[in-house]
Amino acid sequence: SAVISQKPSRDICQRGTSLTIQCQVDSQVTMMFWYRQQPGQSLTLIATANQGSEATYESGFVIDKFPISRPNLTFSTLTVSNMSPEDSSIYLCSVGQAENTEAFFGQGTRLTVV
Amino acid sequence: DQQVKQNSPSLSVQEGRISILNCDYTNSMFDYFLWYKKYPAEGPTFLISISSIKDKNEDGRFTVFLNKSAKHLSLHIVPSQPGDSAVYFCAAGGGGADGLTFGKGTHLIIQP
Repeated sequence: SAVISQKPSRDICQRGTSLTIQCQVDSQVTMMFWYRQQPGQSLTLIATANQGSEATYESGFVIDKFPISRPNLTFSTLTVSNMSPEDSSIYLCSVGQAENTEAFFGQGTRLTVV
Repeated sequence: DQQVKQNSPSLSVQEGRISILNCDYTNSMFDYFLWYKKYPAEGPTFLISISSIKDKNEDGRFTVFLNKSAKHLSLHIVPSQPGDSAVYFCAAGGGGADGLTFGKGTHLIIQP
């Protein structure tokens, strides 16, 4: 399995500001995904990060609120824009290969918006 | 509409006994199913998966059973150990290029 480093591990942010979360993998991967886990809820897929093109967003998530970059096969960023307390969640990066079914996760970023 | 359901928020099992975690799904298009284990302040760790064309997959102490007609799967852990205490998530997917749909998780507590 790949080693996935996610930064920051946690942050407390003021409402109205933005936070960029980084995900670095130690090997090239085909697929990179971003998930959110709100308190007491399951993990919800935000988007698929596509290398060199715009991310593919799930229903209920939009690029203006969650811009994503993926410049190469080992790195991606997720920005949470114009934050409100409702954005307080754990954000998780996940990676995998398109031909395999297993997906592996970073340790997550615990975001608190005050 | 929750496509993957874990109806037991928590489960308590005595050390050495069998732990059985259950999961139901509604989407017949799911091609494979996975179980993840999560400790506090860590990301989910992949445990075991099963393809929709199989009904059982075993890896050491972990066995996953799939009943497609009932749209039900279960994870068996035997024997249960103290280190197994964690939150277990059931997940389903349509292929490696697709993201996963997760249940809400079951908190397994192994009692000495």
